[in-house]
Amino acid sequence: GNSVTQMEGPVTLSEEAFLTINCTYTATGYPSLFWYVQYPGEGLQLLLKATKADDKGSNKGFEATYRKETTSFHLEKGSVQVSDSAVYFCALSDRGTGGFKTIFGAGTRLFVKA
Amino acid sequence: DAGVTQSPTHLIKTRGQQVTLRCSPKSGHDTVSWYQQALGQGPQFIFQYYEEEERQRGNFPDRFSGHQFPNYSSELNVNALLLGDSALYLCASSLKGGNQPQHFGDGTRLSIL
Repeated sequence: GNSVTQMEGPVTLSEEAFLTINCTYTATGYPSLFWYVQYPGEGLQLLLKATKADDKGSNKGFEATYRKETTSFHLEKGSVQVSDSAVYFCALSDRGTGGFKTIFGAGTRLFVKA
Repeated sequence: DAGVTQSPTHLIKTRGQQVTLRCSPKSGHDTVSWYQQALGQGPQFIFQYYEEEERQRGNFPDRFSGHQFPNYSSELNVNALLLGDSALYLCASSLKGGNQPQHFGDGTRLSIL
């Protein structure tokens, strides 16, 4: 079946450091890929998405490229801020019989120190 | 513009009881999905409803059932509650289609004693 694997956290960085959170997936079809973020005290919200191979999703300085050859969708940011401290979830959505199923990774907690 | 709303916020039940959780989707959305999130884990897909029918189902037993109403709102029912059902239950709404982002509610925290 489909699955998503994320690097384990927590990840602790200093402000302005470079961030990479690894995400790999297995899927039988051609899924859409997403990164969702959960800030402290808030609900899950979409950060970025990519719907086909080689697409790059971007938002708030974060980027991720849909790599079909390596089945990866790594999240990157060039310079993190304290306000980026949150839990990040990689997810895929794939078509099944009659509808779509979304599979989430376990999440990666990011702490950014001032 | 109201987002996804869920009720109740918290619920405490005992083993063997039944529970109903409710969700109103974001305005304009027609598809509702339900997830179970254990502490420190990612959301686990329970099922998805569109046009008042269950369209996809995750690996959850038949004790978990749902319903979608003509106004697109939805209910999640869990029968014969087990201690392991204690979790945060999230509702997400979207437009139909796998590449559509989902908007999440704040969840219902269910505790089983």
